[in-house]
Amino acid sequence: DIQMTQSPSSLSASVGDRVTITCQASQDISNYLNWYQQKPGKAPKVLIYDASNLETGVPLRFSGSGSGTDFTFTISSLQPEDIATYYCQQYENLPITFGQGTRLESK
Amino acid sequence: QVQLQESGPGLVKPSETLSLSCTVSGASISGYYWSWIRQPAGKELEWIGRIYTSGSTNYNPSLKSRVTMSVDTSKKQFSLKMSSVTAADTAVYYCARMRRGGQLEYWGQGTLVTVSS
Repeated sequence: DIQMTQSPSSLSASVGDRVTITCQASQDISNYLNWYQQKPGKAPKVLIYDASNLETGVPLRFSGSGSGTDFTFTISSLQPEDIATYYCQQYENLPITFGQGTRLESK
Repeated sequence: QVQLQESGPGLVKPSETLSLSCTVSGASISGYYWSWIRQPAGKELEWIGRIYTSGSTNYNPSLKSRVTMSVDTSKKQFSLKMSSVTAADTAVYYCARMRRGGQLEYWGQGTLVTVSS
């Protein structure tokens, strides 16, 4: 299985801050990397697909980059509604695997 | 609007079989991959497997020996069976529609399954 390692596992940020989360794959996954947002008690929601493509309806403050083994997810200006846990997910090989999550908290 | 709804017992005894169904509304069930994902409380997501509407399946090797998925296109439902459950299988179970690019684009609300005697 491909292991996905996210960092940090948690972070605190203030409204308006730029937030960056990284995800590293244990082997080359090209750009087969998706990012999800999960709020407490809710199902995850896909934000970014194929490493850098914004899902329809997702605000432009969210972005993704990277290829191969190293990926970055960025919120350019944190909003209160962005407080959630974020997961990366690879689809280069089955089984699909997720990172352990990054819990974003309000400072 | 595509909606998915999980259903099934919320409590299963150890060593028994967990059975869940997912009903799709708002779109055709045909022509898509349908997945099951689970999440123990406070932990990360784990992909259980997927089924195509033809009946073709892919399972997570870590669970393959205990998992069976099926689909009933006439009822717009797909199902998960997991045998010989233990407390480690206690989790919120989600069903989801998967795009060919691997994105899990539509999810059910999730259903908590507790394994306990």
